[in-house]
Amino acid sequence: QQQVKQSPQSLIVQKGGISIINCAYENTAFDYFPWYQQFPGKGPALLIAIRPDVSEKKEGRFTISFNKSAKQFSLHIMDSQPGDSATYFCAASPEYVLLIALWVDSNYQLIWGAGTKLIIKP
Amino acid sequence: EAQVTQNPRYLITVTGKKLTVTCSQNMNHEYMSWYRQDPGLGLRQIYYSMNVEVTDKGDVPEGYKVSRKEKRNFPLILESPSPNQTSLYFCASSLMGPTSGRAGELFFGEGSRLTVL
Repeated sequence: QQQVKQSPQSLIVQKGGISIINCAYENTAFDYFPWYQQFPGKGPALLIAIRPDVSEKKEGRFTISFNKSAKQFSLHIMDSQPGDSATYFCAASPEYVLLIALWVDSNYQLIWGAGTKLIIKP
Repeated sequence: EAQVTQNPRYLITVTGKKLTVTCSQNMNHEYMSWYRQDPGLGLRQIYYSMNVEVTDKGDVPEGYKVSRKEKRNFPLILESPSPNQTSLYFCASSLMGPTSGRAGELFFGEGSRLTVL
């Protein structure tokens, strides 16, 4: 129930094409879904995130689509560019809304997908 | 410049020789965490700390120790490294816990590649 399954493991897309990476989860308590982007030799960095109150979030060429009933979410990269070549990680967690002391419950952590290595061919 | 700094970036050591990977952040973040990254396994959390003197185990804590004596530093200690600890290690920090929406955005260091012979 705690897993996030990410696919594909690797993906090659022609420049200008659409890259699509999918993630699926089982825990219905998950309500925060970030995507992290990692360039070779660097640490991951937050790319975009979504909560399930919306079905889609767009930031530039990057779009997250969210299907709550199917418990799936995906990252779409439009007009893919060679500079988008990186490893992409999806993640999920329950978002802990703080009503009392911030550090009361330390059990909520991100559950990570295994990553997708994306290569954009020129 | 806001950053998470890890040292060393590369290390080759031998089985059983104690080593420490340091991590320091200059963003006054409460939360810090260590991950290891292995091909096909993604990011696996080793230990995390919600605040000074507060640490907890992640998914793969065996063979590792941490301490959080100061807010900015969160060293990872391998008391007796073994070859199965050969990996790429990342330290990360966030203003609040990672499930706190945007305030939980994780900032990662550039990684420390460790090889244990």
